[in-house]
Amino acid sequence: DAKTTQPTSMDCAEGRAANLPCNHSTISGNEYVYWYRQIHSQGPQYIIHGLKNNETNEMASLIITEDRKSSTLILPHATLRDTAVYYCIVRVADNYGQNFVFGPGTRLSVLP
Amino acid sequence: ETGVTQTPRHLVMGMTNKKSLKCEQHLGHNAMYWYKQSAKKPLELMFVYNFKEQTENNSVPSRFSPECPNSSHLFLHLHTLQPEDSALYLCASSQATEGEKLFFGSGTQLSVL
Repeated sequence: DAKTTQPTSMDCAEGRAANLPCNHSTISGNEYVYWYRQIHSQGPQYIIHGLKNNETNEMASLIITEDRKSSTLILPHATLRDTAVYYCIVRVADNYGQNFVFGPGTRLSVLP
Repeated sequence: ETGVTQTPRHLVMGMTNKKSLKCEQHLGHNAMYWYKQSAKKPLELMFVYNFKEQTENNSVPSRFSPECPNSSHLFLHLHTLQPEDSALYLCASSQATEGEKLFFGSGTQLSVL
């Protein structure tokens, strides 16, 4: 099972910041938080990842709480093309070792 | 382009057919993965290869048979599939170390008739 929980869906107005929360209360000290997104019937696209510090790249910012039990992905100026399912992932130890296990994610709808 | 290429992009097959999905990565990674995504469901991890060695998976039916001849190529051989096997099959690769990213191909949309 995925180690993260996310809201099922969110709406955001075009041009506004989209803030997508994720809970990962059982995360271990050396486990990274990853964010991916998937547009319908395409392969998931990497967005950003981090361990302890906040991270920023050309796509988004990742804010990780000090206790690392939750994080927020921020899309600073959402566009219609940002409509997608967003996955927050922590690698889990399963039958295959340490691997990426996807949950249902958050369906973000950016509205005009 | 992610550096992971999957072919074919679409595949329609009958239940008695044998077909293969191909994945190739140009990123120098040492781990490759097959995921399955059924309609409106999360991605399910099917198989993992680390340094060409498969990590055993007991929950995928034997009608799915993976092959990893080298660290750049991964195949998924399909035979006697069922209609419920219709799904998007995604290949991915990564370096098998902490903090490394997973890169996905565009997927093969499979329909079993």
